[in-house]
Amino acid sequence: AQSVTQPDIHITVSEGASLELRCNYSYGATPYLFWYVQSPGQGLQLLLKYFSGDTLVQGIKGFEAEFKRSQSSFNLRKPSVHWSDAAEYFCVFPMDSNYQLIWGAGTKLIIKP
Amino acid sequence: GAVVSQHPSRVICKSGTSVKIECRSLDFQATTMFWYRQFPKQSLMLMATSNEGSKATYEQGVEKDKFLINHASLTLSTLTVTSAHPEDSSFYICSADLREEEAFFGQGTRLTVV
Repeated sequence: AQSVTQPDIHITVSEGASLELRCNYSYGATPYLFWYVQSPGQGLQLLLKYFSGDTLVQGIKGFEAEFKRSQSSFNLRKPSVHWSDAAEYFCVFPMDSNYQLIWGAGTKLIIKP
Repeated sequence: GAVVSQHPSRVICKSGTSVKIECRSLDFQATTMFWYRQFPKQSLMLMATSNEGSKATYEQGVEKDKFLINHASLTLSTLTVTSAHPEDSSFYICSADLREEEAFFGQGTRLTVV
């Protein structure tokens, strides 16, 4: 069955430190994959998306993600986090049939001053 | 970019009353809209798929008589929580159409039933 796993429920990093949020998928073929962010009091915002081609995807707000087929992963990275990056991050996988979305459980990012 | 407007952003209602949440696509026509519910410390759960001009398709376990969905036009879908109870308190989010595999989300509605 298709699934998305975000193994870390919470991650705490210091402001200015690098960040990597993990996402693993289960699917028989190459998936489409998204990362969304939900900031406090705001709606969901698309950070980046992977369809095919280059496995390193650049997104907004300085985020990038790398698709690794051998590891079934699509981890989100940022070289230096800012306090405004504190939010919940979702790895999302659109199903083939009707474009419904399969959501990871989310990872809450906490920024230490 | 495409915008989906969801209203209200917050609502508090008394137990037993009904609440309507609107989801509008402001600059594009959405033949399909999705309604999600977010439980504390859990990911979004799809409640139903709303198709313009036809009955919504509900996910297993979602009571269609309790969560009434109407998609009367290509730019508006509504979710009505009928006879609300405290356990219905949650965060509800709509999304519209996937274009180029991207969904556009409303801001969400925080429902509190007291």
